[in-house]
Amino acid sequence: QQPVQSPQAVILREGEDAVINCSSSKALYSVHWYRQKHGEAPVFLMILLKGGEQKGHEKISASFNEKKQQSSLYLTASQLSYSGTYFCGTEANTGGFKTIFGAGTRLFVKA
Amino acid sequence: DTEVTQTPKHLVMGMTNKKSLKCEQHMGHRAMYWYKQKAKKPPELMFVYSYEKLSINESVPSRFSPECPNSSLLNLHLHALQPEDSALYLCASSQDEGADYGYTFGSGTRLTVV
Repeated sequence: QQPVQSPQAVILREGEDAVINCSSSKALYSVHWYRQKHGEAPVFLMILLKGGEQKGHEKISASFNEKKQQSSLYLTASQLSYSGTYFCGTEANTGGFKTIFGAGTRLFVKA
Repeated sequence: DTEVTQTPKHLVMGMTNKKSLKCEQHMGHRAMYWYKQKAKKPPELMFVYSYEKLSINESVPSRFSPECPNSSLLNLHLHALQPEDSALYLCASSQDEGADYGYTFGSGTRLTVV
């Protein structure tokens, strides 16, 4: 079942912060985050495993609340290069591990 | 080498044609995936291969036929496609199948069926 992402779209000025949320109705083993720029392949940002850990990647970090089956991606002091579509991908063991992607959050950072 | 290479980058085929998409990685990853992506939509899982064996088939029509000749290569054979099959086809790999590993995606093959 597809995870639900919010918001659908965000417009930021350079230097502003944003939070993107991802939630699932299924018990999750992990949550992946990817960024895809127009006409390009998705690029892996980070993975969060069961255990409620928080990870960071430059000024982008994420958390995973296993009990609530939710993850949030935090973009701090956004840069123009952060523009793109952010997808969360969730892994649940449904007879084999597979990553199902949310609908995506379109982020646009303007100067 | 930290890339997944897909060829061709663009493909136009008629509904009666047979064509193949190719994906290659040399990272020693043991799981490989085919995803289909329509414009402004998320990637949609088609197949998962783990240690060269088909692990998951997401009820994909038989006009799509995957093949994994060895641990570095993944093919997708196409036959009698429909115009609605036009999409970006993405190959990905990960260190192993399972919840612990992120995916490396190739740049995709943009397929147009006429």
